[in-house]
Amino acid sequence: EAGVAQSPRYKIIEKRQSVAFWCNPISGHATLYWYQQILGQGPKLLIQFQNNGVVDDSQLPKDRFSAERLKGVDSTLKIQPAKLEDSAVYLCASSSSRRDVYGYTFGSGTRLTVV
Amino acid sequence: AQSVTQPDIHITVSEGASLELRCNYSYGATPYLFWYVQSPGQGLQLLLKYFSGDTLVQGIKGFEAEFKRSQSSFNLRKPSVHWSDAAEYFCAVAPRTGGFKTIFGAGTRLFVKA
Repeated sequence: EAGVAQSPRYKIIEKRQSVAFWCNPISGHATLYWYQQILGQGPKLLIQFQNNGVVDDSQLPKDRFSAERLKGVDSTLKIQPAKLEDSAVYLCASSSSRRDVYGYTFGSGTRLTVV
Repeated sequence: AQSVTQPDIHITVSEGASLELRCNYSYGATPYLFWYVQSPGQGLQLLLKYFSGDTLVQGIKGFEAEFKRSQSSFNLRKPSVHWSDAAEYFCAVAPRTGGFKTIFGAGTRLFVKA
């Protein structure tokens, strides 16, 4: 079974620039999550999708962050404009359902550095 | 407020020694409990989970964890650590009702010395 694919692996941008991350979950997984992991901290949920609908985006800074999952499969997370404090690893995870009791499967993440 | 606390930022153990990583949670009701491991440059891998039943849970790579309701704890243990266990370990909780939103602790980095 292929895992959760994310790209790019690394990205360096200047502040105020825009950036986009891509995630392809495990085939058949209806639920997709984006997490932000700042150095020295645990992952923090940014947004959760169930198929192509948003379930929880309460911690997404909507003035600069946006995410979509148009066909209920892969997803894109965008930051525009980026700030220095957005430097982090952005993790995508998927599960077979919202109440998947077997835990998530995570991708390897995209490491973003804003300079 | 719901929270997960991992009191130890980092721990160093000798190869072959036993290991215990601490995790305490604050929740209205007993949540689902998880331990994940993250190797450098990698995503998180699920080690084990507790939902109900036996309070001693076995996981992959020789890890186990014990749920103690009275202490609101879910400590991770391994009887003999290998050098390849060096990584960051995250405790996580998710509510049994509602949106199943998983909250992660800040992590404990494990160093293994020869």
